[in-house]
Amino acid sequence: DIQMTQSPSSLSASEGDRVNITCRASQGIGHYLAWYQQNPGKPPRLLIYAASSLQSGVPSRFSGSGYGTDFSLTISSLQPEDVATYYCQNYNSPPPAFGPGTKVDLK
Amino acid sequence: EVQLVESGGGLVQPGGSLRLSCAASGFTFDTHAMTWVRQAPGKGLEWVSTIIGSGGSIYYRDSVQGRFTISRDNSKNTLYLQLNSLRVEDTAVYFCARDQSLARGVIAWFSDSWGQGAQVTVSS
Repeated sequence: DIQMTQSPSSLSASEGDRVNITCRASQGIGHYLAWYQQNPGKPPRLLIYAASSLQSGVPSRFSGSGYGTDFSLTISSLQPEDVATYYCQNYNSPPPAFGPGTKVDLK
Repeated sequence: EVQLVESGGGLVQPGGSLRLSCAASGFTFDTHAMTWVRQAPGKGLEWVSTIIGSGGSIYYRDSVQGRFTISRDNSKNTLYLQLNSLRVEDTAVYFCARDQSLARGVIAWFSDSWGQGAQVTVSS
């Protein structure tokens, strides 16, 4: 099975900062990578699929990039409502695997 | 608007059983694969099981194979997860999620809509 890792596990940034989260797959997965945002006590929300396609309704400050084994999620200007945990997910083949998550806080 | 509402969670002893339901609305239910994802307390997300729109193909993670059964009733727009032989490590919030199936019979393997979750607690 493919394993997913994320870095950092947590970060603190100021409002307006550019934030980058990295996700790595244990083997190549093409562009089959999704990103989710989860607030405490809430279900996940799909942000990005196919590594870089923005889900409908998601603000344009979110963007994704990467191919193969290395991927990133970027928030171009961090907003208070972006405080959450972010998960990547491989969907190249079953079983789909999630990364361990990156917790984003405001300084 | 897509809505997914889980029910059936609760407290059960090790070895016990529960059945979760997920009532779907706002979309053509039988055209989408459906998935259960769980999240243990303070932990990350873990895929549990997926069923294709027709119900004809089913997938499970290894740790629940033989103990959990996913099913769907397309006439009732409802997804189910039967949990048997429950273990303490099955304690989690169980989310019902819609697969972003772009065509009937196809599984995208990621989810674009999620329910609020049902708490399952396995404890003596």
